[in-house]
Amino acid sequence: QVHLRESGPGLLKPSQTLSLTCSVSGDSFTSGTHYWSWVRQSPGTGLEWLGYIYYTGNTYYRASLKSRITISIDTSTNQFSLNLASVTAADTAIYYCARLVDTARGVFDHWGQGVPVTVSS
Amino acid sequence: YVLTQPPSMSVAPGQTASLTCGGSNIVTLSVNWYRQKSGQAPVLVLFDDTARPSGIPERFSGSVSGNTATLTIATVEAGDEADYFCQVWGSASDHAVFGGGTKLTV
Repeated sequence: QVHLRESGPGLLKPSQTLSLTCSVSGDSFTSGTHYWSWVRQSPGTGLEWLGYIYYTGNTYYRASLKSRITISIDTSTNQFSLNLASVTAADTAIYYCARLVDTARGVFDHWGQGVPVTVSS
Repeated sequence: YVLTQPPSMSVAPGQTASLTCGGSNIVTLSVNWYRQKSGQAPVLVLFDDTARPSGIPERFSGSVSGNTATLTIATVEAGDEADYFCQVWGSASDHAVFGGGTKLTV
């Protein structure tokens, strides 16, 4: 059974860098059958896809975040990570990692439980 | 690309709920639906317009026509109370687009 779990600090100050990690069990990155994604949710903007990564390291990011976002992957530990630089209050949200079935249909079939992140001075 | 969902819907137990998702020519896209109960992560309930993941009962079905996708929940139960989000993939710059969600009250 596939299981995803996010971890990382829940409170940041403006201008800091958000760093989250998603630990995956029940699926191997190197099987190459799925992609790995980050999605966030806030009352103001709803569910917002941030980007995805393939086990090869290929990434694709949301256009509006391209200058601030980095997603990386570690196949040896079955973890992938999100870095979001220069955060502001607008980045306050619940951050989810999710498995993306493929990039043709964009089905998120498994999600982590989410980690709340607050940006406040 | 924008997906529009009514913010709320109320249905009595045992009745049928039809949740809509509007988008320009949405019939040309693959529509997925997620259920999110309070305080929990989203759960996939329909993908590719009409397909159900394992574990999702047959009471959940989908259809798409023109500019509207519909998630239909037959014989609604108290446990179906949740927010439901539609989602498509493949817009020009931001691959995944989610609707604003419909809060279903039973």
